[in-house]
Formats: sequence, structure tokens, C-alpha cells
Amino acid sequence: AQSVTQLDSQVPVFEEAPVELRCNYSSSVSVYLFWYVQYPNQGLQLLLKYLSGSTLVKGINGFEAEFNKSQTSFHLRKPSVHISDTAEYFCAVSDINTDKLIFGTGTRLQVFP
Amino acid sequence: NAGVTQTPKFQVLKTGQSMTLQCAQDMNHEYMSWYRQDPGMGLRLIHYSVGAGITDQGEVPNGYNVSRSTTEDFPLRLLSAAPSQTSVYFCASRPGVSSGNTIYFGEGSWLTVV
Repeated sequence: AQSVTQLDSQVPVFEEAPVELRCNYSSSVSVYLFWYVQYPNQGLQLLLKYLSGSTLVKGINGFEAEFNKSQTSFHLRKPSVHISDTAEYFCAVSDINTDKLIFGTGTRLQVFP
Repeated sequence: NAGVTQTPKFQVLKTGQSMTLQCAQDMNHEYMSWYRQDPGMGLRLIHYSVGAGITDQGEVPNGYNVSRSTTEDFPLRLLSAAPSQTSVYFCASRPGVSSGNTIYFGEGSWLTVV
């Protein structure tokens, strides 16, 4: 079975600063990896996903993530954050043989002016 | 395009009452699922379905029943509500059977059990 660990429950940053949200996973088989964003009182929407190929994945709103198989990580980055990026971010994993998408516990990104 | 529609958006139940959270999607997606979201615990999979007539358990299925009589609908039933089921519930769907396909979420149902 796979699992996901998001090491930081909250990440406070100032506007225009870079940010990295960390995600580690465990699985005995090949996986698909996802980052979702949740704005207050809304459902989740996909930021980006890694299925195969290039390990650097670019998503919406200027976010990108890098798949590192040796470190079993899929950290999310943005070089310069905006106030509007304040939200909860969830890393998720599914292995290629099952139908289940398993989520991490989430990281709350708070961007201050 | 309505996407994934959940009803009701808010509900208060008394302990022991039963209710059904409705979920419908108009995208002809084969895969549908229910998650619950609790503070500090992320989203946990309750039940899922890979097609009409097929359902399976997720991480936290106890206290919940589901059925999938049509492709469009995937209701979640609480037979005897408990305070531990106070949570935000999300229905989701995705096309096809590949777990690499993007999953689409409804806007959530806030349930309080008193």
C-alpha cells in the first residue's frame, strides 16, 4: 500500500518570496503523483501531476514540482508567491495498479503582504 | 457543464439519524469516490466505484454504505449517524480506469452530527 507524508502542516511566507512545500511518498510499485489546491470553502482542484517522462512538471499558477525517485519525493515549488496563493495544498499518490488516490494531510500556505 | 454536484451543502443530524449525501456527475466518468476531510488528517477515502454496479471500500468505510446503480450517481448513506462522522464530505469522479487520470471534485457537503 502507498502512503504520503507532508512534513509541514503550515508554511508562512511573505509575498514575492519563493516557497517549497514538501511531499514524500512510499510505495512498492510505480506511482502517479499529484498536487491539489483547496481554496477556503471549496473543493480541490488539480495543480499538476506526474505520470511518467520528465521529472520536472509544470502546473497552473506558476507552480512546478520535481519527481525524485531515489528520495521518493515530489516537492512543490513556486519562485514568487502572491497573496492569492494562500490556500491548503495536498499531495496525493496512486499506484499504477490500483484505483485509489491517497492524500497527504495537507500544508496550509499563508502568504503575508 | 455542471461537473460534480453534491447535495446538500450543509446538514445537521442528530445521533442515530440516517441520511444520504447525493452525488451526481454529468461527464460520463466511470470512476467515482467519496472522501471525508478532517482537520489535520487530509482527505481519506471512504468508498469508491469503478463503474455502475461495482463498489469497493476505501480507507475508512465503517458507518457508510454506497451504491452505483447508474454511471451518473453515487450516493453515500449514513445509516446511524455518530458524532465522529461530523466532517466535510467530497465526492469526486474521473474518466476511465487509469489512476493517472485527473480527478474532479464536488464543492463539498458539511455534515454536523450532534
